[in-house]
Amino acid sequence: LAKTTQPISMDSYEGQEVNITCSHNNIATNDYITWYQQFPSQGPRFIIQGYKTKVTNEVASLFIPADRKSSTLSLPRVSLSDTAVYYCLVGGVDTGRRALTFGSGTRLQVQP
Amino acid sequence: NAGVTQTPKFQVLKTGQSMTLQCAQDMNHNSMYWYRQDPGMGLRLIYYSASEGTTDKGEVPNGYNVSRLNKREFSLRLESAAPSQTSVYFCASSSSAVNTEAFFGQGTRLTVV
Repeated sequence: LAKTTQPISMDSYEGQEVNITCSHNNIATNDYITWYQQFPSQGPRFIIQGYKTKVTNEVASLFIPADRKSSTLSLPRVSLSDTAVYYCLVGGVDTGRRALTFGSGTRLQVQP
Repeated sequence: NAGVTQTPKFQVLKTGQSMTLQCAQDMNHNSMYWYRQDPGMGLRLIYYSASEGTTDKGEVPNGYNVSRLNKREFSLRLESAAPSQTSVYFCASSSSAVNTEAFFGQGTRLTVV
């Protein structure tokens, strides 16, 4: 299984850009990289997914280098409401279970 | 839109009691999942159902059983609850087993005393 490694926690201030990096050295050819956000007492929420290079949506950007052994979730100009746990998942088109295996995540704390 | 609905939201059980957690989705999704999340931890997959009529074990299936009642509903049963099963349980669904965009319910907070 492709194991992911993320920082346990990060701190930031409102208005700053936050980059959370995830390592996945054993990523397989068919694997996609997916990020989720979880607020306290809520279920996780899908943020963004990518396979290679860069993906951007209204919430975040996802940068994936050519070797795909890591990925970086970028949150532009964070606010207090971005305080949450962020999970990086790696999974493939033929491994539905593996695609939704969560690690411990990165706890982001945004300060005023 | 309801999305994924879990019932109950809270439950207290005595050790040895049984109960079923209900989950229903209205998005016509094929795949459904059950997770547990212990305090300060990530989610761990208990069971999943890639499509109606199929179920498979996840990382922590011991002490649980599941039923994919139909395409909409996926229930999780604790036959003999133990304090170690105190956790928050999340149900999720995705359009298919190969789609990593899943939608989660609000969770069931279960305490076993």
